[in-house]
Amino acid sequence: EVQLVQSGAEVKKPGESLEISCKASGYRFSDYWIGWVRRMPGKGLEWMGIIYSGESDTRYNPSFQGQVTISADQSISTAYLQWSSLKASDTAIYFCARRDVNWNVFDYWGPGTMVTVSS
Amino acid sequence: EIVMTQSPVTLSVSPGERATLSCRASQSVSSYLAWYQQKPGQAPRLLIYGASTRATGVPARFSGSGSGTEFTLTISSLQSEDFAVYHCQQYNNWPPTFGGGTKVDIK
Repeated sequence: EVQLVQSGAEVKKPGESLEISCKASGYRFSDYWIGWVRRMPGKGLEWMGIIYSGESDTRYNPSFQGQVTISADQSISTAYLQWSSLKASDTAIYFCARRDVNWNVFDYWGPGTMVTVSS
Repeated sequence: EIVMTQSPVTLSVSPGERATLSCRASQSVSSYLAWYQQKPGQAPRLLIYGASTRATGVPARFSGSGSGTEFTLTISSLQSEDFAVYHCQQYNNWPPTFGGGTKVDIK
């Protein structure tokens, strides 16, 4: 059974750094792209980017390029989303999800990590 | 980037009735259109991809249609577990983009 387990909710101050994680199981991690989706309060979903750990390839939505870093550790089947300096506007739920083998759709999703940035 | 617009924002339907949700793209996305269902406090679930192909385990009461810029998700007879938010997503162009969602609630 495919499972994506995300790290817990975070409360941070503006300017702080943060890394959240997503541990995959039930499939061969290196065979699939895995990505991140943002849902800001009251807004729609936003595709942030995806990473293919098998070839260390990362594709970002231009809106998020330079704002976050997506990485993965193939040895522990875990993907990460990292911020170096959080802003209040980063407050959102962040979902990790596995990309379908053929298409840019997400076929399995994690439960989401709530990130709150407030002074 | 391609802008996806969903309508209506909220759809009130009685159990057993048919629900029709619309999704419009700002330019053609061919048939590269997916639908997701999201219940409160849960992650989205892939329902439809390729505009009309049901994902594994999705009941036959869910059907998708359309191509180009106009798409429809139809739920033929609403069950209690179908009351949720539905998101469309295009994947013809990078970056993939989602609509704002349609909430289907109980009338």
